[in-house]
Amino acid sequence: GAVVSQHPSRVICKSGTSVKIECRSLDFQATTMFWYRQFPKQSLMLMATSNEGSKATYEQGVEKDKFLINHASLTLSTLTVTSAHPEDSSFYICSAPGSGTGPYEQYFGPGTRLTVT
Amino acid sequence: GENVEQHPSTLSVQEGDSAVIKCTYSDSASNYFPWYKQELGKGPQLIIDIRSNVGEKKDQRIAVTLNKTAKHFSLHITETQPEDSAVYFCAASSSWGKLQFGAGTQVVVTP
Repeated sequence: GAVVSQHPSRVICKSGTSVKIECRSLDFQATTMFWYRQFPKQSLMLMATSNEGSKATYEQGVEKDKFLINHASLTLSTLTVTSAHPEDSSFYICSAPGSGTGPYEQYFGPGTRLTVT
Repeated sequence: GENVEQHPSTLSVQEGDSAVIKCTYSDSASNYFPWYKQELGKGPQLIIDIRSNVGEKKDQRIAVTLNKTAKHFSLHITETQPEDSAVYFCAASSSWGKLQFGAGTQVVVTP
């Protein structure tokens, strides 16, 4: 099956610093990847759509200058949280459409727990 | 845009009983409805999905039904086991890959 990995699984950073999270499709190519944010006991909220070779598309209310997305290859997308603040502490999850029986199946990474102190 | 409502928010069942989670969606253009299981501290795992041209789909103890006219779909888990305890999310999509999630249901299966 389609496997998506994320690195790191957990990260703690100080307020004002930047943090990069990687999302990789391990056994398939993904021209599109999605980044979600999930606060405790809440649902997943789509932040942005990452497109290989072009600019990401951000959802309404998501600051594109704060959450930098780079999709430099068909297997890697990165999310950089710039000038992180405690309110950015959250569970960040990426996903990619798999190469199964249709374009709709979407597979999620294991998530990255970001804590900003 | 799409709005997905999910009920109940919590569900406690005895081992061996059935569990049913219901979702409604607002966008009639939605045509793909997956269900995800999320365990604590992990990413969501796709457990079953259904497309708009099908009314029901079953995979062992898990089944999903879709009523396009009423814009609702349901997850049915039979013969529940303790390892079914998790948070379950429904989602709907009307465009390739972009999912709108429900609020989630915490399922607790007690032995």
